Amino acid sequence: QVQLVQSGAEVKKPGASVKVSCKASGYTFTSYYMHWVRQAPGQGLEWMGIINPSGGSTSYAQKFQGRVTMTRDTSTSTVYMELSSLRSEDTAVYYCARSMIASLPGYWGQGTLVTVSS
Amino acid sequence: DIQMTQSPSTLSASVGDRVTITCRASQSISSWLAWYQQKPGKAPKLLIYKASSLESGVPSRFSGSGSGTEFTLTISSLQPDDFATYYCQQYNSYSPFTFGPGTKVDIK
Repeated sequence: QVQLVQSGAEVKKPGASVKVSCKASGYTFTSYYMHWVRQAPGQGLEWMGIINPSGGSTSYAQKFQGRVTMTRDTSTSTVYMELSSLRSEDTAVYYCARSMIASLPGYWGQGTLVTVSS
Repeated sequence: DIQMTQSPSTLSASVGDRVTITCRASQSISSWLAWYQQKPGKAPKLLIYKASSLESGVPSRFSGSGSGTEFTLTISSLQPDDFATYYCQQYNSYSPFTFGPGTKVDIK
């Protein structure tokens, strides 16, 4: 069965960077795109970007261009999302989500809480 | 970027009610619209894709309609398990896969 296991919660200071991992299992890693979506406390869902694990190509939401980097390691079936220049507004749960029908996010990780606080 | 809006933002309803949520896009997205359900502390769940196609395993009381810029999600007879927040998401333009702001369905 498809499983996405994310790294643990992080606490970062403003201006720092955070790198969240998402280890996939139960399917062919390179066959499905992976999304990253975040949700601030009590707020809605915000799509951050997508990575093609096969070739590593990415597409980022304009809001995060220049601050986010998505990468993958095919040897460990893991995708990574790094967000830099953190500010308090980046405090959120970050989800990876494997594409399903029509490239939509269908299988989700458990989420990683990133707290940005001085 | 395409902007998505939803109405209402909150909806109070009773078990057995027929519930309709509206999602609008700032420009035509054809039928490239999905609906998700999210419960507190849980990841979202895909309900409907391509505006009206029911994802496998989703109860038939959920239905979607619309095209272009206006879409609806209907729950024909609200069940206790349906109290949640619902999000639409467009996927017409590959970047970004914009979500709507959400509609919370709570108990009247």
